Order: sequence, then structure tokens, then C-alpha cells
Amino acid sequence: DADVTQTPRNRITKTGKRIMLECSQTKGHDRMYWYRQDPGLGLQLIYYSFDVKDINKGEISDGYSVSRQAQAKFSLSLESAIPNQTALYFCATSVGANTGELFFGEGSRLTVL
Amino acid sequence: QKEVEQDPGPLSVPEGAIVSLNCTYSNSAFQYFMWYRQYSRKGPELLMYTYSSGNKEDGRFTAQVDKSSKYISLFIRDSQPSDSATYLCAMGYSSASKIIFGSGTRLSIRP
Repeated sequence: DADVTQTPRNRITKTGKRIMLECSQTKGHDRMYWYRQDPGLGLQLIYYSFDVKDINKGEISDGYSVSRQAQAKFSLSLESAIPNQTALYFCATSVGANTGELFFGEGSRLTVL
Repeated sequence: QKEVEQDPGPLSVPEGAIVSLNCTYSNSAFQYFMWYRQYSRKGPELLMYTYSSGNKEDGRFTAQVDKSSKYISLFIRDSQPSDSATYLCAMGYSSASKIIFGSGTRLSIRP
């Protein structure tokens, strides 16, 4: 089983719908992240959380919200999806400070029509 | 100007060739430098990690950092078809909350 699991892996939805992407991890890491990947743009940070009570905005948080339900669970919501939110979304975890090693899930491909 | 620039490729080389992948950056505050490898339909995985200028070698892979020129490189020796993937450079500050990724270079190794 994967250490970082994302659901759903693929989702097609319509403009205006609310969408939730879920992430769970078995690595025991405190830090969790949501990234978005678009062709030619690399990975952009949406939100990150250092522990259950800590939520921080990343570079591109507008139109997104998150919830850290437990140390192992971090979900990303699109309150009202729009076509330019069509992208590949990755959840990641890390051990802590002074390390650049992120452990990624396999991604959730979202298409907004 | 992006903080991290990376040529998107695609780059296609024959098996056995030496591959050079590069990134430039503008922020001298970056303290550590990484290369991630991403296979198709998979999440990125850490390949190399360096914390200072100089070279770091791991098998067929060598990561090179030149802070004075704000330039990092990844060299792959004796390239194999299994090395075909997208390679993303990444850079960070003292806290892992701020890791900036390059756009990725798509590499194809021809048998």
C-alpha cells in the first residue's frame, strides 16, 4: 500500500460544483502539503499544514480551502470549481524543518468542464 | 521573472549517453537544492539532495551546485531507458514550508 494515498485519482466535474480531494498518510509525518501541477508551470503550493492545528496558505490558495482532520488526513476543497482549476493535484508529506524531502501521493487528476 | 528557471525540453538522447539537466535561480537565500524524478502518472520522488555548493554523487547520478552563479545541474552517466522521466529541480529555505520547484525537463532515453 502507498504511504501517501489520494482519492479520487481521477474526477470530472462541472463548473460551479463543490469538489473534495482527500489525502491520507501512513508515514507518521506532521507536515502535509497540497500542490497543483500544470504543464510548463511545475508544482505550485496551494496550502500546507505543520500539524493538526496549523493551516497556512501557499502561493495559489484563492479558490481552495483545506481541512486537517487528523495527523494523517488532509483534504483539499474547491468550493465552486472553475475550468482553470483543471490540473493534476498532489498531496505530499515531510518530516519537519530543514529538510527538503517531500513524499508525494500519486496525484488526483481533476477536470472541470 | 520566475524564481527558478528550468528548460522544459523535451530532451531525447541515445542509451549510454551522458545527460546534463540544469536550473538557474534568482534568490540567493536558497539553502538546499534537490532533484526530483517523476515518472508518467506518478508523483515526484526525491533523487538527489544537496545543502551546499559542490558536487554530490550517487551511483550514475551527480548533482552539482554553483551558488556563485545560481546554477544547479544533474548529470546522468550511462543513461538507461528506465531514466526516461520528467526531472524537476527544487530549492528551499531553512524551513521546508517554502520549496520552489522548476517546471521540469522531460527526458527520453532511446534504446
